[in-house]
Amino acid sequence: DAKTTQPTSMDCAEGRAANLPCNHSTISGNEYVYWYRQIHSQGPQYIIHGLKNNETNEMASLIITEDRKSSTLILPHATLRDTAVYYCIVLNNAGNMLTFGGGTRLMVKP
Amino acid sequence: GAVVSQHPSWVICKSGTSVKIECRSLDFQATTMFWYRQFPKQSLMLMATSNEGSKATYEQGVEKDKFLINHASLTLSTLTVTSAHPEDSSFYICSAYSPTGSKNIQYFGAGTRLSVL
Repeated sequence: DAKTTQPTSMDCAEGRAANLPCNHSTISGNEYVYWYRQIHSQGPQYIIHGLKNNETNEMASLIITEDRKSSTLILPHATLRDTAVYYCIVLNNAGNMLTFGGGTRLMVKP
Repeated sequence: GAVVSQHPSWVICKSGTSVKIECRSLDFQATTMFWYRQFPKQSLMLMATSNEGSKATYEQGVEKDKFLINHASLTLSTLTVTSAHPEDSSFYICSAYSPTGSKNIQYFGAGTRLSVL
């Protein structure tokens, strides 16, 4: 599975949109982009995933570039409870083993 | 989303004792479950893949005789840390794979914090 690169940390003001980038330049055609987050001392939580089209659900939006080499997770109105480590993971849909990198530590500030 | 229950949420034990952690998929059948370990300020590291009715597959460097995994049913996997030592103190997290439709999503338990004295 392709590796991903994410910034180590980001800050966001409460109520503003949080845009978390992820680079996955070696992604192959059958690999999906998955996003999970881990709030302190809890298990990871699935957020969203996509192949090539932009996706939106009740938690977030996922924007994938046309060449699929990068993506952005958007939390439209960040709250303090969105403070967490966000993991971008690329995975072949036939596989199910998640490999967690360092993720991005998002700090939402009042 | 699907619910995965993990128990206990935290445990303190004496060195040399064994600790069992349970992972249950509450509203779906999980043919595959995963066990992770997370040390402070580090990311999750996969320990083993647990398949119902067969032996678990362990990642390199994980001692299978120390971390016993049993996946006896489609809704329950257990991890037993045998003869625990202080260096086994960590946050243990399980997940279950729910291949519903075209999705390939893992749902995680809340984790078990193990402290070995």
